[in-house]
Amino acid sequence: DAKTTQPNSMESNEEEPVHLPCNHSTISGTDYIHWYRQLPSQGPEYVIHGLTSNVNNRMASLAIAEDRKSSTLILHRATLRDAAVYYCILRDGGSGNTPLVFGKGTRLSVIA
Amino acid sequence: GAGVSQSPRYKVAKRGQDVALRCDPISGHVSLFWYQQALGQGPEFLTYFQNEAQLDKSGLPSDRFFAERPEGSVSTLKIQRTQQEDSAVYLCASSLALYSGSSSYNEQFFGPGTRLTVL
Repeated sequence: DAKTTQPNSMESNEEEPVHLPCNHSTISGTDYIHWYRQLPSQGPEYVIHGLTSNVNNRMASLAIAEDRKSSTLILHRATLRDAAVYYCILRDGGSGNTPLVFGKGTRLSVIA
Repeated sequence: GAGVSQSPRYKVAKRGQDVALRCDPISGHVSLFWYQQALGQGPEFLTYFQNEAQLDKSGLPSDRFFAERPEGSVSTLKIQRTQQEDSAVYLCASSLALYSGSSSYNEQFFGPGTRLTVL
């Protein structure tokens, strides 16, 4: 799996938008971009994923650069419950059911 | 509905003891993964089952680690002769699909983990 690069930590004020960046310059054509987050003392949970087009769901939006070498997870209004470690992960869509390869992620702090 | 459950949630073992960690995946989920998460790090893959077949155990750190899923549902991760470096959170995840496929939608659902402390 290709490697991703994320900032170690970010901070946001409550009820403001948060943009979490991820660089994946060596992404291959069949790699999907997945985001998971891990709240304190819990297992990771799926947030969103995409291939080329921007994606929206109830939790977040995913903006993917045209060259696919970077992406941004957007939380439209951060709440205190969004404080977590966010992981950007590439998964090859052309292979079998592969394990997730986690980096260190970005630790998001939300200030009331 | 019920998610992935793991037991025990916390386990303290003396160095040299054997431990067994249990994972109950979501009913009907074909795939099951075990991960190890050291303090301050992201989870790292240990092993993967598709139904009862262990398809990948490349992440198991030593032959002291053994995992099984005999009936294709509940899985047990066993660590023999525990060492201090085995102290970590052990996470189990399950997913419905067999393949990543062209949509790669097979979200993994994680349990809360078992925190193992080896003294």
